[in-house]
Amino acid sequence: AQTVTQSQPEMSVQEAETVTLSCTYDTSESDYYLFWYKQPPSRQMILVIRQEAYKQQNATENRFSVNFQKAAKSFSLKISDSQLGDAAMYFCAYRSAHQLIWGAGTKLIIKP
Amino acid sequence: EPEVTQTPSHQVTQMGQEVILRCVPISNHLYFYWYRQILGQKVEFLVSFYNNEISEKSEIFDDQFSVERPDGSNFTLKIRSTKLEDSAMYFCASSPGTEIYEQYFGPGTRLTVT
Repeated sequence: AQTVTQSQPEMSVQEAETVTLSCTYDTSESDYYLFWYKQPPSRQMILVIRQEAYKQQNATENRFSVNFQKAAKSFSLKISDSQLGDAAMYFCAYRSAHQLIWGAGTKLIIKP
Repeated sequence: EPEVTQTPSHQVTQMGQEVILRCVPISNHLYFYWYRQILGQKVEFLVSFYNNEISEKSEIFDDQFSVERPDGSNFTLKIRSTKLEDSAMYFCASSPGTEIYEQYFGPGTRLTVT
């Protein structure tokens, strides 16, 4: 069975700085999809970025980018120029068939 | 931009009562899902639904749970006899069913069982 691990329960970063959130996963599949979701205090789950495992190029969405290392089964999220609105829980998720398997989340604190 | 909506935002019920949580997925999406998140814990998959039938379900989704798409727009989750441990945030999601099957989530319903 697939598992997703986020080893950082909490991270903090100074506003305008860069922060990297880590995620590792375990799978025997060769084709799969990975996602990062953001959950602000409102608790709505917001899709931040996605990565197809067959693509070698790392996905980017504005200030958000990933470092996808397929052999190492690592999928980290880099947030550049951190803003106060980035403060939230961040969840890494692996798509298995039609379900998402979730990590435990990392709480990101932005220091003004 | 189209959104998944959920009602109610907060539901309080007594143990043993039936509850129905409602969701309106994005209109052209084909796959629908329910997840739950107990406070302080991981998000857990409950069920996926496609073409008017369950396509996948987890061990959590036992006989106390059921899903329905009664009218082509709403997607409901019913819990027949609620337990204290059913207290959680319930998220509905939908997916267009394209290659990536990325899922878009509603704002959630907070269920409190007393």
